[in-house]
Amino acid sequence: EVQLVESGGGLVKPGGSLRLSCAASGFPFSKAYMNWVRQAPGKGLEWVGRIKTKTDGGTIDYAAPVKGRFTISRDDSKNTLYLQMNSLKTEDTAVYYCITMASFWGQGTLVTVSS
Amino acid sequence: SYELTQPPSVSVSPGQTARITCSGDALPKKYAYWYQQKSGQAPVLVIDEDSKRPSGIPERFSGSSSGTMATLTISGAQVEDEADYYCYSTDSSGNHWVFGGGTKLTVV
Repeated sequence: EVQLVESGGGLVKPGGSLRLSCAASGFPFSKAYMNWVRQAPGKGLEWVGRIKTKTDGGTIDYAAPVKGRFTISRDDSKNTLYLQMNSLKTEDTAVYYCITMASFWGQGTLVTVSS
Repeated sequence: SYELTQPPSVSVSPGQTARITCSGDALPKKYAYWYQQKSGQAPVLVIDEDSKRPSGIPERFSGSSSGTMATLTISGAQVEDEADYYCYSTDSSGNHWVFGGGTKLTVV
């Protein structure tokens, strides 16, 4: 059974940093492209970024609103995906999901950016 | 930046056919995916790669794509189908993904 479990969310002040993790199991993680998606309260879904497999170069692409502030990485030895978020803004407040193969989503972790 | 456009809302009576559209310039060459999201829950994939129905999704859900428009069709919509629906696809480069703005389906 595919499982994705996000963690690391919480309350942070504007300008602060936070690192989210996504622990994966039930599928060959090293062979999967992984994405982060977020959803602000009462708003629609927003793609944050994607990391390819190392075999495919490990290329990372980001959505414009987070480029230069967020960094996606992966540790295939730990079957874990990360999202390092720096220079956080109030508009980054959202539930953050990791997803793979379009079908599989975690339960999400809430990030609140507020003073 | 690339955009996918959906109608904000669609309303049908129970048993009627609901159609939700998604338009985007890259759709002639890129797959569309459709998600259903009920209040307080994570999204669920209801249509994969334009028209494939994942295991466990009722047969009344179908998808199609023609030109720059993808369509999610719910034949004989039921009250439990009330939800927000999002299309999802990538730009022509395949490197930047995007969700449509979402469509609130009301079945009443």
